[in-house]
Amino acid sequence: IAGITQAPTSQILAAGRRMTLRCTQDMRHNAMYWYRQDLGLGLRLIHYSNTAGTTGKGEVPDGYSVSRANTDDFPLTLASAVPSQTSVYFCASSEGPQGADTQYFGPGTRLTVL
Amino acid sequence: GQNIDQPTEMTATEGAIVQINCTYQTSGFNGLFWYQQHAGEAPTFLSYNVLDGLEEKGRFSSFLSRSKGYSYLLLKELQMKDSASYLCAVKDSGYALNFGKGTSLLVTP
Repeated sequence: IAGITQAPTSQILAAGRRMTLRCTQDMRHNAMYWYRQDLGLGLRLIHYSNTAGTTGKGEVPDGYSVSRANTDDFPLTLASAVPSQTSVYFCASSEGPQGADTQYFGPGTRLTVL
Repeated sequence: GQNIDQPTEMTATEGAIVQINCTYQTSGFNGLFWYQQHAGEAPTFLSYNVLDGLEEKGRFSSFLSRSKGYSYLLLKELQMKDSASYLCAVKDSGYALNFGKGTSLLVTP
């Protein structure tokens, strides 16, 4: 069992390009999340999905979009990358949003936008 | 808005005990989590508190006081591998997980 996988591990991207970060979990978790982590700012929620077919906006959603076509996959798309989107991106999943609902994190994608 | 505060950095000696504090002000409360994150790696779950009191798990313990908006993570018998960032996170009334900026712990010989 792999848990949560993310691809790519790292990427250097020219500003203005479109980029999709992939996230797949094999734990049959209902909820999935995308965070970005920046030095001095901690983890900030970008988008989330409580169940397949639904998505919601987090603290910093601008410039990002997500989809949740099935339980396992939760891709994050940057339509037109900007340098301020340089960050480490973590995908996470949990059984559901309520109660003692522990989130488990993928290994992260380090993205640099030039 | 959400406000979660924890010290930026701490240093402790191998074999000692260290306490990392976290204070919070959030819109509702549905539990407090502690995560450990080694440099260049993903956060990993350490503990969860939803009721007041102490939760013990091996060398790690976590305490919660909901009335004071306060938690601490206690690490005993420190080992060099405990050098990492420790993240306090609070689940609010909307069930979103709000993270503090993390405390970087350095364990010295």
